[in-house]
Amino acid sequence: DAKTTQPTSMDCAEGRAANLPCNHSTISGNEYVYWYRQIHSQGPQYIIHGLKNNETNEMASLIITEDRKSSTLILPHATLRDTAVYYCIVRFRGNTGTASKLTFGTGTRLQVTL
Amino acid sequence: DAGVIQSPRHEVTEMGQEVTLRCKPISGHDYLFWYRQTMMRGLELLIYFNNNVPIDDSGMPEDRFSAKMPNASFSTLKIQPSEPRDSAVYFCASSYGFGVGGYTFGSGTRLTVV
Repeated sequence: DAKTTQPTSMDCAEGRAANLPCNHSTISGNEYVYWYRQIHSQGPQYIIHGLKNNETNEMASLIITEDRKSSTLILPHATLRDTAVYYCIVRFRGNTGTASKLTFGTGTRLQVTL
Repeated sequence: DAGVIQSPRHEVTEMGQEVTLRCKPISGHDYLFWYRQTMMRGLELLIYFNNNVPIDDSGMPEDRFSAKMPNASFSTLKIQPSEPRDSAVYFCASSYGFGVGGYTFGSGTRLTVV
């Protein structure tokens, strides 16, 4: 069963903010929201994760709704190098076991254009 | 740090031959993961190790696949005999403490079995 739902694809103009949504309506209190991205022909790259508070790092911001049923990854000033597939993943916060595995879905293909 | 290093980058082999993929994790990371990526099935976790010990190999497709981690700095994924349906990109990833802070992926090995 898919634990997250993301749009298949999105476009964004270079220099603009890219807002990538993710629905995770069945998320439990013990599950984190993770975001990874995969640029063509490369391995996935960790971006950010959060539990219930909004998070920001040098790559992006993560906004999680108060009910935790959805989140948005924000790339504040998208560049052509941000063109990639972005994966939203719900993952158990425990240290081991099946529920803690990082399971990738199909993600959102973000195309940044001039 | 050079990151997670995988070799070879590309491998073309004939059906029935043995194939060995190699991975050097980041020094100090205690978890190592092998993933496979195909167009049809996306990114799939095959097996993971903790402190060189295999913990979960439930994703290994069949007995033709085997993985080892003889020490903290080296792991192999072997396919014997190889089949055309094994053609995929194989990624190795490592993390510290099951990756609450994210996994680091290698650049992958693109395997083609003809």
